[in-house]
Amino acid sequence: QVHLVQSGAEVKKPGASVKVSCKASGYTFNSYDIHWVRQATGQGLEWMGWMNPRNGNTGYVQKLQGRVTMTRNTSISTAFMELSNLRADDTAIYYCARPQDFGDNDFAYWGQGTLVTVSS
Amino acid sequence: YELTQAPSVSVSPGQTARIACSGDALAKQYAYWYQKKVGQAPVLLIYKDTERPSGIPERVTGSSSGTTVTLTIDGVQAEDEADYYCQSADSSGTVVFGGGTKLTVL
Repeated sequence: QVHLVQSGAEVKKPGASVKVSCKASGYTFNSYDIHWVRQATGQGLEWMGWMNPRNGNTGYVQKLQGRVTMTRNTSISTAFMELSNLRADDTAIYYCARPQDFGDNDFAYWGQGTLVTVSS
Repeated sequence: YELTQAPSVSVSPGQTARIACSGDALAKQYAYWYQKKVGQAPVLLIYKDTERPSGIPERVTGSSSGTTVTLTIDGVQAEDEADYYCQSADSSGTVVFGGGTKLTVL
């Protein structure tokens, strides 16, 4: 079965960068896009962007362009999301997610979430 | 584009909860629904407006009319208390979530 396992919680200072990993198993990693979604405490779900593991193509939400980078290492079936120049309002739980089928826009499979805390 | 949801809905156990989501893009794009509980990852409840993934009970249904989609939960139970989010994507692949609706079971 499909599993997405994320790296552990992080505490960062403002201005620093964080890199969250998402290891996929149970399917062919290159066959499905990986998306990243975050949720700040008391706030709603916010889509951050997507990455195609086969060719590395990416698309980011406009508000994060220039600060977010999504990459992958196909040899270990792992996707990464790096967010730079962290601010307090980047404190959130970050999720990776995968669609049901290639080309779908739903998120049927989710990682367990990674809490990123930005604090001085 | 935006998806608009009411902040909260309250129903008594056994009643029917209806959670609406509106947005111009919904006239052309599919909607998806998620249940989100504290400390848990979101769960896909409905895809492509009306389809239910395996494992989701039949009392959970989705419908669509024009620029509004609706999630209906029949026979609401205490375990249904959660936040519910609609989601869609435009033709370029940009994804948007609604603001979420908190379902309270009285």
